Amino acid sequence: DTGVSQDPRHKITKRGQNVTFRCDPISEHNRLYWYRQTLGQGPEFLTYFQNEAQLEKSRLLSDRFSAERPKGSFSTLEIQRTEQGDSAMYLCASSFGAGFEQYFGPGTRLTVT
Amino acid sequence: QQQVKQSPQSLIVQKGGISIINCAYENTAFDYFPWYQQFPGKGPALLIAIRPDVSEKKEGRFTISFNKSAKQFSLHIMDSQPGDSATYFCAAPANQAGTALIFGKGTTLSVSS
Repeated sequence: DTGVSQDPRHKITKRGQNVTFRCDPISEHNRLYWYRQTLGQGPEFLTYFQNEAQLEKSRLLSDRFSAERPKGSFSTLEIQRTEQGDSAMYLCASSFGAGFEQYFGPGTRLTVT
Repeated sequence: QQQVKQSPQSLIVQKGGISIINCAYENTAFDYFPWYQQFPGKGPALLIAIRPDVSEKKEGRFTISFNKSAKQFSLHIMDSQPGDSATYFCAAPANQAGTALIFGKGTTLSVSS
């Protein structure tokens, strides 16, 4: 399968714990995006990388959130001191060059208890 | 900043019927409007997209109609099938850099057999 992959698919954590998610984009896609989706809503943009550079961050991305794409390939999204409001589906997408077509992965479902 | 308003929130169509979902946008500076299909527990899948230099784009049973003067675009699903039952999202670029996508709130389509 050459699509976007995300790991883990599900994560249950207790409030206050740190969690890290991984995204592997489609090979040769230089742009990578993180979105968050809550129940009954459309995805909301969090942040965007072009190669290894993080070029855009949403106001939704609080100080507890950090994302990296160290070698311009896979990316990680870390949430520190999780809160119940962080419970959501975290989606990763990738695209090639200046094209607008974004291809999404299956998402990581986070539940904070 | 772009805003996208999608309607209806839910839709029930008989097998073989036509499903129509509408989206209205505000900022006319952008030129790419995709539709995504999402099944429960899965990430959104790019279904079809249009650039406003054309008024209509058709791919199989799926058609996007674009009305630039009304700032609206719609998705038509011809010969709707039970397998089309999913949530559909329209989207538009949040800015001219074409990085983040702004999504509508989604339309849940149920096709009865």
